[in-house]
Amino acid sequence: SQQGEEDPQALSIQEGENATMNCSYKTSINNLQWYRQNSGRGLVHLILIRSNEREKHSGRLRVTLDTSKKSSSLLITASRAADTASYFCATASNSGYSTLTFGKGTMLLVSP
Amino acid sequence: DAGVIQSPRHEVTEMGQEVTLRCKPISGHNSLFWYRQTMMRGLELLIYFNNNVPIDDSGMPEDRFSAKMPNASFSTLKIQPSEPRDSAVYFCASSATPGTANQPQHFGDGTRLSIL
Repeated sequence: SQQGEEDPQALSIQEGENATMNCSYKTSINNLQWYRQNSGRGLVHLILIRSNEREKHSGRLRVTLDTSKKSSSLLITASRAADTASYFCATASNSGYSTLTFGKGTMLLVSP
Repeated sequence: DAGVIQSPRHEVTEMGQEVTLRCKPISGHNSLFWYRQTMMRGLELLIYFNNNVPIDDSGMPEDRFSAKMPNASFSTLKIQPSEPRDSAVYFCASSATPGTANQPQHFGDGTRLSIL
């Protein structure tokens, strides 16, 4: 079963607006990662936030993590048409050799 | 820097045929992952290798699927015999150790497989 579940499934905004995507998960984690996937391409890593971190920034990206609520959010500020893509959260558990479990993603459409 | 390289990018074949997907990970990465992506099930981990050794193959759907990593720079995913329900995009990803948990994964652009 999927560990991370993104919300909303799809989001349509205008250029310049902010986009917020949420991710909820079920079990305790070592870290949570966000990835972007452009149509017809592989996933690209955006940002990793560890379980002891609450907020992280990278350029126009801001990620928050609330381990008490088992949720994370990805905020893209001042969106551009080039941000149009699917965004996935992925969780890494605490156990040994850990793999990532991906959610089904949020499709973001940014219109010029 | 070359990323993860997958071949072929597209494969169309008839059911019952053998299909072999290939992956070259990023040089120096010790962990390699094979995923399958479909609209219905999203991105599923099939198998992962660490230092060329299969660590977890619990995601391999059936005995028709097999994967090998004969050396640090090459891996294959084979489906024999193929079935229409195997149609999907197959991704290979690699990451550096120690600990896959704290490292980002780098994905290839996938193989789009269609079984007729």
